[in-house]
Amino acid sequence: QVQLEESGGGVVQPGGSLTLSCATSGFTFRTSGMHWVRQAPGKGLEWVAFIRYDGSTEHYADSVKGRFTVSRDNSKSTVYLQVSNLRPEDTAVYFCAKDSNYSPNWFDPWGQGTLVTVSS
Amino acid sequence: EIVLTQSPATLSLSPGERATLSCRASQNLRTYLAWYQQKPGQAPRLLIYDTSNRASGIPARFSGSGSGADFTLTISSLEPEDFAVYYCQQRSLWPLTFGGGTKVEIK
Repeated sequence: QVQLEESGGGVVQPGGSLTLSCATSGFTFRTSGMHWVRQAPGKGLEWVAFIRYDGSTEHYADSVKGRFTVSRDNSKSTVYLQVSNLRPEDTAVYFCAKDSNYSPNWFDPWGQGTLVTVSS
Repeated sequence: EIVLTQSPATLSLSPGERATLSCRASQNLRTYLAWYQQKPGQAPRLLIYDTSNRASGIPARFSGSGSGADFTLTISSLEPEDFAVYYCQQRSLWPLTFGGGTKVEIK
């Protein structure tokens, strides 16, 4: 079955950086767009970034543009999110999600998430 | 950016009752709206896509309707496992956006 597993979260100081990873299995990764979505503690969902199946196109939320970079390695079936110049408001669980098989830009399924805490 | 407004914020109902959740968009979405369910400590799950299509494995008591800027998720008869938070999401325009969520709680 389709599996998505995020890693790389942790505690980082304001202004710091991290690279989040999402390792996948159970589907043809190289033909699937991938997304990152985050959820601040006790808050709602916020879409963060998208990368096309071949890496040729990226989209970002305005709140992270210029600070976050999404990338992928199709040989490893893994998508990455480089987060830099972190702010306290970036504290959240970061989920990766696969573009659904039904139509693009629906999220199905999701990983379990990795927590990023920005604090001094 | 398209803003999605969900109402009510909280819905207090008993098992067996009907739940009606609303999602209103700031622009015409045509039918490009989805609904997700999230339980505490879990990742969200896709329920409905393109306004009214149930995702694989989703029970028939979940249905979606609407078009343009007004959309509804209906749960015809609440089961104990349906008490959760529900989010709508649009894919009509970048950036993709979510509504603020509706919590369906046990009365």
